[in-house]
Amino acid sequence: AQSVTQLGSHVSVSEGALVLLRCNYSSSVPPYLFWYVQYPNQGLQLLLKYTSAATLVKGINGFEAEFKKSETSFHLTKPSAHMSDAAEYFCAVSDNNQGGKLIFGQGTELSVKP
Amino acid sequence: GAGVSQSPRYKVAKRGQDVALRCDPISGHVSLFWYQQALGQGPEFLTYFQNEAQLDKSGLPSDRFFAERPEGSVSTLKIQRTQQEDSAVYLCASSLIGGVHEQYFGPGTRLTVT
Repeated sequence: AQSVTQLGSHVSVSEGALVLLRCNYSSSVPPYLFWYVQYPNQGLQLLLKYTSAATLVKGINGFEAEFKKSETSFHLTKPSAHMSDAAEYFCAVSDNNQGGKLIFGQGTELSVKP
Repeated sequence: GAGVSQSPRYKVAKRGQDVALRCDPISGHVSLFWYQQALGQGPEFLTYFQNEAQLDKSGLPSDRFFAERPEGSVSTLKIQRTQQEDSAVYLCASSLIGGVHEQYFGPGTRLTVT
């Protein structure tokens, strides 16, 4: 079975500081990995995805994530936080044999202080 | 273009009532997914359709939950004899085809069972 663990339910950074949101996965087959962002009262929006091509994946809004098989990790980073980055972030795993259904982590709420 | 829409956005039901939640996917999207998101949690997979065929319903929590997509476009999630533990946000997502293609999420329906 596949699973995702997000370390830290709440992360707070200052505007302009580095953002690091942690995600570790478990999968018996090569995984496909995703980061989604959720703003209040809105649906989830895809930030980026890893599908076995380049291990460093660049997404929207300046975010990127690196797939590290040896560490079973897919951490999300952004060099400089902006106030508009405050939201809930979800890491998810999928495998192509299950129709693409997503298994989500518990989420990490990012706060950005001025 | 139009994204995924869901209705109603909010639903309050008395315990024991039946409810029906509607999802209008993006036109032409073959795959449709339903997820349940409890307060403070990540979304959890409920069921998956490819066109009108329900290919995976392993996440439906009980036989009180039923989903359909009779013409391969609009989908309805029905919950019979609602219980308090059914209170959650129900998210619908669609994708062009299955596999690991991007899922586009609707804004969700917030169900509160009193």
